[in-house]
Amino acid sequence: AQSVTQLGSHVSVSEGALVLLRCNYSSSVPPYLFWYVQYPNQGLQLLLKYTTGATLVKGINGFEAEFKKSETSFHLTKPSAHMSDAAEYFCAVLPSGGAGSYQLTFGKGTKLSVIP
Amino acid sequence: GAGVSQSPSNKVTEKGKDVELRCDPISGHTALYWYRQSLGQGLEFLIYFQGNSAPDKSGLPSDRFSAERTGGSVSTLTIQRTQQEDSAVYLCASSLGVATEQFFGPGTRLTVL
Repeated sequence: AQSVTQLGSHVSVSEGALVLLRCNYSSSVPPYLFWYVQYPNQGLQLLLKYTTGATLVKGINGFEAEFKKSETSFHLTKPSAHMSDAAEYFCAVLPSGGAGSYQLTFGKGTKLSVIP
Repeated sequence: GAGVSQSPSNKVTEKGKDVELRCDPISGHTALYWYRQSLGQGLEFLIYFQGNSAPDKSGLPSDRFSAERTGGSVSTLTIQRTQQEDSAVYLCASSLGVATEQFFGPGTRLTVL
């Protein structure tokens, strides 16, 4: 079974400061990894994904994440926070093959607040 | 539109009533998924369709929940005899195939009074 841990249910940063949202996963084989963002009363929007290849992936809105196999981590970063980044962020894993390779497993989410 | 659509966006019902939630996936996507998002449980997988078949229904919480998909397109999630614990946001997603990126709809917020 796979699991995802997001450290910190709430994170506050100042506008212009670095954003760092942590995600660790548990899986017997390296899965596919995703970060989704959810704005109030909206669905989930994909920020970025890692499947294979380069371990540093860039997404929309200036976000990026690095897959570190040795640390089983996929932390999300953005150099400079904007007010519009305030939302809830979800890390998710998808088995890269075999049984269950359709079921996303999500972390509990991290709510990001940006302070002016 | 090009994205996944869901209807209704909000549904308020009385305990014991049946409800139907609809999902229109992205055209050409063969895989369709239902998830539930609630305060206590976070985001949970409910069911997955490949074409019109549902190989995995293991996430459905009880036999009051059922889902179907017709024509390899529209899907309906039905909850019979709703209970207050069914209150949640029900999210639908679709993808080109398994092990590929899932695109989510805006969700249906269900409130059971």
